[in-house]
Amino acid sequence: GQQVMQIPQYQHVQEGEDFTTYCNSSTTLSNIQWYKQRPGGHPVFLIQLVKSGEVKKQKRLTFQFGEAKKNSSLHITATQTTDVGTYFCAGRDQGGSEKLVFGKGTKLTVNP
Amino acid sequence: NAGVTQTPKFQVLKTGQSMTLQCAQDMNHEYMSWYRQDPGMGLRLIHYSVGAGITDQGEVPNGYNVSRSTTEDFPLRLLSAAPSQTSVYFCASRVGAGVYGYTFGSGTRLTVV
Repeated sequence: GQQVMQIPQYQHVQEGEDFTTYCNSSTTLSNIQWYKQRPGGHPVFLIQLVKSGEVKKQKRLTFQFGEAKKNSSLHITATQTTDVGTYFCAGRDQGGSEKLVFGKGTKLTVNP
Repeated sequence: NAGVTQTPKFQVLKTGQSMTLQCAQDMNHEYMSWYRQDPGMGLRLIHYSVGAGITDQGEVPNGYNVSRSTTEDFPLRLLSAAPSQTSVYFCASRVGAGVYGYTFGSGTRLTVV
């Protein structure tokens, strides 16, 4: 079945450093979504990427969707303590199913 | 709008007991899903629904039943609880079209002893 792998599992940075998490799917995706979950909270939707090679920005966050639509990345520039949390990618197969499969997430901690 | 409401927030069950986790949304969303979250495992899809009367299995459906008799409600039933079902359960919903992601409820923390 469809699998979504995400690395690294953990990342600890000093405030002001950059951070990147990578997502890889075993199958070609129709789209990929990114979520953020704060400690003790629930996942919150950040963005969806649909087109091959798509790049979207939200302030200090940059999201990319690979040309083959099998990988994606999230890059945070100059991390802040408010960026702390776990970042998940989630992908849908090209078959048109609503089934959204999540990666295991990257837990980001930021040292002030 | 209350968004996605899950009840109860916490529950302790004995092995073999059954129970229903409630999920309701007031946003008229077509699509709803149930996920479980275990440490180091991310979120795993249990069941999902693309509209009233339509449900389908996700990655880990065994031991769980769902039904979708109305657009608003999507209850998850544990048939005979097992310790392996100890987890945090999240219900989520989204509109049927467009680039919108899922809105998640605040979760139900279930412990099976």
